Amino acid sequence: DIQMTQSPSSLSASVGDRVTITCRASQGISNYLAWYQQKPGKVPTFLIHDASTLQSGVPSRFSGSGFGTDFTLTISNLQPEDVATYYCQKYDSAPLTFGGGTKVEIK
Amino acid sequence: EVQLVESGGGLVQPGGSLRLSCAASGFSFSSSWMHWVRQEPGRGLEWVSRIDSGGGSRTYADSVKGRFTISRDNAKNTLFLQMNSLRAEDTAVYYCAVPYFSNAFDIWGQGTMVTVSS
Repeated sequence: DIQMTQSPSSLSASVGDRVTITCRASQGISNYLAWYQQKPGKVPTFLIHDASTLQSGVPSRFSGSGFGTDFTLTISNLQPEDVATYYCQKYDSAPLTFGGGTKVEIK
Repeated sequence: EVQLVESGGGLVQPGGSLRLSCAASGFSFSSSWMHWVRQEPGRGLEWVSRIDSGGGSRTYADSVKGRFTISRDNAKNTLFLQMNSLRAEDTAVYYCAVPYFSNAFDIWGQGTMVTVSS
């Protein structure tokens, strides 16, 4: 099975900073990658699909890139409401594995 | 409004069984593949199982294979997860989810908590 590895597992940044989260697949998955945001105590919400397509309503400070095995989620201007854990997920084939998550906090 | 509402969670002893339900509304349930995802307390997300629109194709994570069974009733717009031989490590919030606008999990239910403990 393909493993999904996220890094870092946590980060602390200042409001306005540019934040980058990496997700690496153990084998190529084309662009079948999604990103989710989960705020504390809440249900995950869908941010990005097909590695770089922003879901309607998601702020444009979020962006995704990558293909094959290496992917990134970038928050270009970190806001207090972005405090959350972010997960990547492959959906090329089963199992539809999630990465371990990256917890984003404000300094 | 597209909505998923899970139910059926609760406290069960190790070795016991539980059946979760997920009621769908606001979209064409009978045309949609459906998934279960779980999250242990304080931990990350784990994909559990999926079923195709007609119910003929079912796939499971290795951690639940042989113990859990996914099914659906398209006439009642409801997804199920039958969980047998439950273990402490099955303790989690269980979410149903659907790829609606894309092939990723656009829509999630609010989750139902399953606690396996004596």
